[in-house]
Amino acid sequence: QKEVEQNSGPLSVPEGAIASLNCTYSDRGSQSFFWYRQYSGKSPELIMSIYSNGDKEDGRFTAQLNKASQYVSLLIRDSQPSDSATYLCAAPRGGSQGNLIFGKGTKLSVKP
Amino acid sequence: DAGITQSPRYKITETGRQVTLMCHQTWSHSYMFWYRQDLGHGLRLIYYSAAADITDKGEVPDGYVVSRSKTENFPLTLESATRSQTSVYFCASSDGTGVSYGYTFGSGTRLTVV
Repeated sequence: QKEVEQNSGPLSVPEGAIASLNCTYSDRGSQSFFWYRQYSGKSPELIMSIYSNGDKEDGRFTAQLNKASQYVSLLIRDSQPSDSATYLCAAPRGGSQGNLIFGKGTKLSVKP
Repeated sequence: DAGITQSPRYKITETGRQVTLMCHQTWSHSYMFWYRQDLGHGLRLIYYSAAADITDKGEVPDGYVVSRSKTENFPLTLESATRSQTSVYFCASSDGTGVSYGYTFGSGTRLTVV
């Protein structure tokens, strides 16, 4: 059973701090990983994707991938109250059919 | 309107009734998906489709039926609704090419079975 695991939180950080969200996955064959943000009552929104070992930066967001450890993380710098949401990690189920497995999500709360 | 739209946004139905949730996308994406989201379970795949007339089961397909006669539409039918099917249902689409794909989700349908 291929799995994607996340700490459910809630993770609470003060405004301006770095929020660190973590995800582990079981399928060593996974090649691409995705982070989605979901505000309460809304649909998930893709915010980052990463395919290679190392870091990928996009504005205040940095995704980190370590395939040897089967570990993906998302760092949010200068956290803002508007970043308060649930963050979902996703990885392909396998094959080329674009079928993603999602973690259960980590709820982030940024306190002013 | 461009994008992916789901209807209805909210639906209350009675146990045993048939109900269909609609999903329409305007990008001509080849892949479409139906997920349900429940507290404690996260997003779980019900059915997906790689192209028109090609569908396959996901993790939790029992009690659901899909069809895809046109690329842009992917309706989900609950043949005989049960209370355990009370959930938020999300449709998503993707071009599914290579490793650069990501899903775009519709706004969701909140279904309550009473």
